[in-house]
Formats: sequence, structure tokens, C-alpha cells
Amino acid sequence: SAVISQKPSRDICQRGTSLTIQCQVDSQVTMMFWYRQQPGQSLTLIATANQGSEATYESGFVIDKFPISRPNLTFSTLTVSNMSPEDSSIYLCSVGGRGSNTIYFGEGSWLTVV
Amino acid sequence: AQSVTQPDIHITVSEGASLELRCNYSYGATPYLFWYVQSPGQGLQLLLKYFSGDTLVQGIKGFEAEFKRSQSSFNLRKPSVHWSDAAEYFCAVASGATNKLIFGTGTLLAVQP
Repeated sequence: SAVISQKPSRDICQRGTSLTIQCQVDSQVTMMFWYRQQPGQSLTLIATANQGSEATYESGFVIDKFPISRPNLTFSTLTVSNMSPEDSSIYLCSVGGRGSNTIYFGEGSWLTVV
Repeated sequence: AQSVTQPDIHITVSEGASLELRCNYSYGATPYLFWYVQSPGQGLQLLLKYFSGDTLVQGIKGFEAEFKRSQSSFNLRKPSVHWSDAAEYFCAVASGATNKLIFGTGTLLAVQP
């Protein structure tokens, strides 16, 4: 199984600021994803982090608000830009190998915007 | 379009009782199906998964799930619930080619002593 580390685990942020979340995996993986879980809600896919190219965003999510980097096969970052209280959520990194049939999640980054 | 339905938002069972959490999916091809558990203040933990083969899959913590294609269901079961099973349970379906998950809305399980 893959071990996924996310930083920060929790943070309280001021409205209008930006925060970058890091996701580090202990092995090379093909696929990396970022999900959002708003309070009391299920998980929604934000984007697929593509190594060496721009991320692929799902409907309702845009690069200006959620810029993503993936410089190699073990690391990705998600930035939540110009935060508002509506961005208070858990942000989760997920990994899977093409054909590996197993998808793992990090512990999540719990953001509160005040 | 792919979708996952968990009809029960909240379920309460007594400790030692059996449990069944329902999950229905909509997917054109053979689905990859998952159950995850999220304990309070924790991330997601994979309980079990189904890709092909035996339709009854065993998972961790004594959980099992049965894939029924005719009913488009993948219900999670446990014969005897423990107080530590109190958590939120999410069913999810994935496209095998992309590993992108679509989640149900979750079922919150409470366990009475």
C-alpha cells in the first residue's frame, strides 16, 4: 500500500489569503488526485494532478482558484487561493496506479477560513 | 453519467447487532467499487474493494460486501457491530481507466451500547 503524507494537517487561515497543501507519497504513482470534503458533505474531485503538465480540473473548479503542481511521481501541491469561509473544508490527496485497482487517501488537510 | 446513491443518511444499531449499509450505483461498464470509512477527525480508510471475480468480497475489520449486478448494488455488511465501528461510511465507484472516484453522500453509523 502507498503511504501518503499531507501537510499541513490543519490550519486556520485568514480570508483573502492563500494556502498551499503538500502531498508526498512513499512510492512512485501514476495517478494523483485532489478531493474536497465540505463540512458534513461527501467528497468531490477537484482535479487530477498530471506529472509534468497542467492539471485536469473537474466541472466547477478552475486553475486560478486551485492551482496544482506535480513536479514528479511522488509529490503534488494544491493551493487554495484568495480563500473565503466557503473554502473551509477537508482537502484530501489520493493516489492510484494505472491498473493497480487500489486508490488510497491521505489523512487530509483540515482548513478553516475565518 | 456515473453516480452513487447511499439511501440511508444515518443509521443506529446496537452493539453486537448485525449491520447492512446500502449502496446503489449507476455505471455503464463493469464498475470498480469501494467502501471507505471515515472516523471522526480522521481521513479515509479503505475497507474493501471489488473489481471482478467473486461477488462477495471480504474487507478489514470484519466487513464484507456483495456485488449484485442485477440490482446495481454493493451493500456493506458486518455480522456483529462494535462500538468502535461508529463512523461515516462512503461507497464509491471508479472508472478503471482513470482511478477517479465518485462518492455517495455517506451513511453515518451510530452504535448504541
